[in-house]
Amino acid sequence: GDSVTQMEGPVTLSEEAFLTINCTYTATGYPSLFWYVQYPGEGLQLLLKATKADDKGSNKGFEATYRKETTSFHLEKGSVQVSDSAVYFCALTSTNSGYALNFGKGTSLLVTP
Amino acid sequence: SQTIHQWPATLVQPVGSPLSLECTVEGTSNPNLYWYRQAAGRGLQLLFYSVGIGQISSEVPQNLSASRPQDRQFILSSKKLLLSDSGFYLCAWSRGTGGMEETQYFGPGTRLLVL
Repeated sequence: GDSVTQMEGPVTLSEEAFLTINCTYTATGYPSLFWYVQYPGEGLQLLLKATKADDKGSNKGFEATYRKETTSFHLEKGSVQVSDSAVYFCALTSTNSGYALNFGKGTSLLVTP
Repeated sequence: SQTIHQWPATLVQPVGSPLSLECTVEGTSNPNLYWYRQAAGRGLQLLFYSVGIGQISSEVPQNLSASRPQDRQFILSSKKLLLSDSGFYLCAWSRGTGGMEETQYFGPGTRLLVL
């Protein structure tokens, strides 16, 4: 079945460092891909998404490109801030289950001043 | 604009007690609705989804159940809680018209601790 694998955390970076969080997927068909972010004590918010191969999603300085050839959707940011500290989830839409999201296990990011 | 509410925000319940978590959505009609659970050390797991009133599909066998008595109301229940039911429960909605490309919008969540 469909699945998402993302790098385990926690990831600790200094402010202004470059961020990469790896995400790969297995899916039948052509799912849409998402990154959601969960700030401490809050629910999930959509960070960005891409709906077809070679699409790039971007938001708040974060980017991810839908790579069908490598089945990847890595999240990147050129210069992280303390306020980016959160848990990041990669996800894809399931081809069944009412288009529910199939999530990776999440990557915790801590940015220190 | 659309908003999604969940309550309670936090709940501490003894093993064997019943459970009722409620989720409501405002500002949209006939949404798809979802319940997810985030347990310690695990990712987010889909529990139930609903594409319409009275239509519930379960993804994981367990002692939980869900109901959708009204278009924008989604309830998660249990007759007898287990320790393993502890976790963070998230309700989400989507428009139900965009297929694979749809964004899901999440509520603030309910943190459940079963003792």
